Amino acid sequence: EPEVTQTPSHQVTQMGQEVILRCVPISNHLYFYWYRQILGQKVEFLVSFYNNEISEKSEIFDDQFSVERPDGSNFTLKIRSTKLEDSAMYFCASSGWEGNQETQYFGPGTRLLVL
Amino acid sequence: GESVGLHLPTLSVQEGDNSIINCAYSNSASDYFIWYKQESGKGPQFIIDIRSNMDKRQGQRVTVLLNKTVKHLSLQIAATQPGDSAVYFCAENEGYQKVTFGIGTKLQVIP
Repeated sequence: EPEVTQTPSHQVTQMGQEVILRCVPISNHLYFYWYRQILGQKVEFLVSFYNNEISEKSEIFDDQFSVERPDGSNFTLKIRSTKLEDSAMYFCASSGWEGNQETQYFGPGTRLLVL
Repeated sequence: GESVGLHLPTLSVQEGDNSIINCAYSNSASDYFIWYKQESGKGPQFIIDIRSNMDKRQGQRVTVLLNKTVKHLSLQIAATQPGDSAVYFCAENEGYQKVTFGIGTKLQVIP
């Protein structure tokens, strides 16, 4: 069964440093997403991406965040200057079109710890 | 603001019994709902979905019920097993855009 994969599984970084989180969506999917989950809280939408551009972003997704699909398989989330409050699980998701419904499939997540 | 939320934060169920997890939503324009299961340290896993033109949908051991009149959604798990222990989220999928998650209900299965 195809699945979304993410690397690394864990990332520890110093405040102010840049991090890049990587995702490989399901191969025939066209829509890509990033979400985050702060420990003990609900999953929050960050951004959706389609046709090589952002289609929607939340208020969390400010100028320090960017997304890119550098090639035909990877989808990345870059945080330019990490803050302590960026510590969270980051989930990538992708979706296609199954019949009349659309389902987002989530990766296992990257746990980011900013010190 | 409009949101998707859950009634019960924790539910304990005896193994073999049926579980019912409830969810209330406030956006009357919502037309597509999903239940996700999240095990510790893992990403949300799709369980079952339902569109607003349906009242009920069944999967393997799971049933989702939708009551649009009172904006209520429920997930029923038959013959609950220890492997069902997880946090369950109801969510609203807004087309090709974001999934809006509720707070989550933790299901604990007692052996």
